[in-house]
Amino acid sequence: AQSVTQLGSHVSVSEGALVLLRCNYSSSVPPYLFWYVQYPNQGLQLLLKYTSAATLVKGINGFEAEFKKSETSFHLTKPSAHMSDAAEYFCAVTFNAGGTSYGKLTFGQGTILTVHP
Amino acid sequence: DTGVSQDPRHKITKRGQNVTFRCDPISEHNRLYWYRQTLGQGPEFLTYFQNEAQLEKSRLLSDRFSAERPKGSFSTLEIQRTEQGDSAMYLCASSLGTATYSNQPQHFGDGTRLSIL
Repeated sequence: AQSVTQLGSHVSVSEGALVLLRCNYSSSVPPYLFWYVQYPNQGLQLLLKYTSAATLVKGINGFEAEFKKSETSFHLTKPSAHMSDAAEYFCAVTFNAGGTSYGKLTFGQGTILTVHP
Repeated sequence: DTGVSQDPRHKITKRGQNVTFRCDPISEHNRLYWYRQTLGQGPEFLTYFQNEAQLEKSRLLSDRFSAERPKGSFSTLEIQRTEQGDSAMYLCASSLGTATYSNQPQHFGDGTRLSIL
């Protein structure tokens, strides 16, 4: 069974500061990992994905994440926060099980990012 | 790429009524997913279609819920005899997939927000 834990339901940073959103996963098989962002009353937009290639993944809007198997983590970072980054962020996991997986995503609880001027 | 489209965006109905939501996926995507998101939570998987075949249903999908994808294009999700607990955002997502690989990202619509009076 898969699961995702996002540490910290709320994170607050100042504009220009480092953003760090934490995600730990549990999967009995090699995972595929995703970060999505959700703005109020909207659907989810893909930020980046890890699919067993490079462990450091770069995404849109200056975000990146590093897959660390030994720590079962996939934390999301951005060097300098912008006001427009304020939103809710979701980490999600799926896996490929030799053709029997359909790619359904298991999501974390979400982290609301607030950016102060 | 016109994106995933969901209709309606908002639905308010009285308890006990039936409701139906529609999802139009990205045209070349063969996989279609429905998720439910309640306030303060991450999305939870409901059901999955590969082309017109419904291949998996979550235990969350009670007998009052039914989903179809009749021609492998758009999909509908119907809830019969709605209950207060059905109030949520219903999200549709689509992706490309093969029998072997499921690492293609899912693209989400903006959701249908259901409110039960």
